[in-house]
Amino acid sequence: AQSVTQLDSQVPVFEEAPVELRCNYSSSVSVYLFWYVQYPNQGLQLLLKYLSGSTLVKGINGFEAEFNKSQTSFHLRKPSVHISDTAEYFCAVSEIRGFQKLVFGTGTRLLVSP
Amino acid sequence: AAGVIQSPRHLIKEKRETATLKCYPIPRHDTVYWYQQGPGQDPQFLISFYEKMQSDKGSIPDRFSAQQFSDYHSELNMSSLELGDSALYFCASSFTKANSGNTIYFGEGSWLTVV
Repeated sequence: AQSVTQLDSQVPVFEEAPVELRCNYSSSVSVYLFWYVQYPNQGLQLLLKYLSGSTLVKGINGFEAEFNKSQTSFHLRKPSVHISDTAEYFCAVSEIRGFQKLVFGTGTRLLVSP
Repeated sequence: AAGVIQSPRHLIKEKRETATLKCYPIPRHDTVYWYQQGPGQDPQFLISFYEKMQSDKGSIPDRFSAQQFSDYHSELNMSSLELGDSALYFCASSFTKANSGNTIYFGEGSWLTVV
């Protein structure tokens, strides 16, 4: 079984500042890693994913994440945030083999203020 | 591009009633997933179907059932509704291939309120 830990339930940040949202996972098998964003009263949108290869993954809206196998982490970063980035961010994992349902972390609410 | 379509988007039911949610996956996707997201919670996996057969089961109550039809759309049936069933229900779909890293795409969700 897999589990995902997002240590920060809420991250307040000023506009144009950099931000890092932390994600650690636990799994006895190899996994794929994902970040999803959920804007208020909306569905889940895929930001980026790590399947294999380069450990630095670039996604939409200027976000990127780095996979660190030794630390079992997949932290999300953005060098300069906008007000419109205010949303809930979910880290998720799925097994590489078999039917790849997602296991989500508890989410981190990013609050960007002027 | 076509996305995952869910209906209805909003539904209000009374306790002990029955509700049915529908999901139309992205064309050519062969796997459908159902998730439940309670207020302020992360999405919890309920059940999935691959090629119309149940492929995995999560924390789905016995009062709930689901199926995938020949046209690949799926329905989630919820009976004897309880207040605690009030949540956002997501359907998602993917094109499953072994070790391919298929991406799971989510619908906008169906809001169920039980009063």
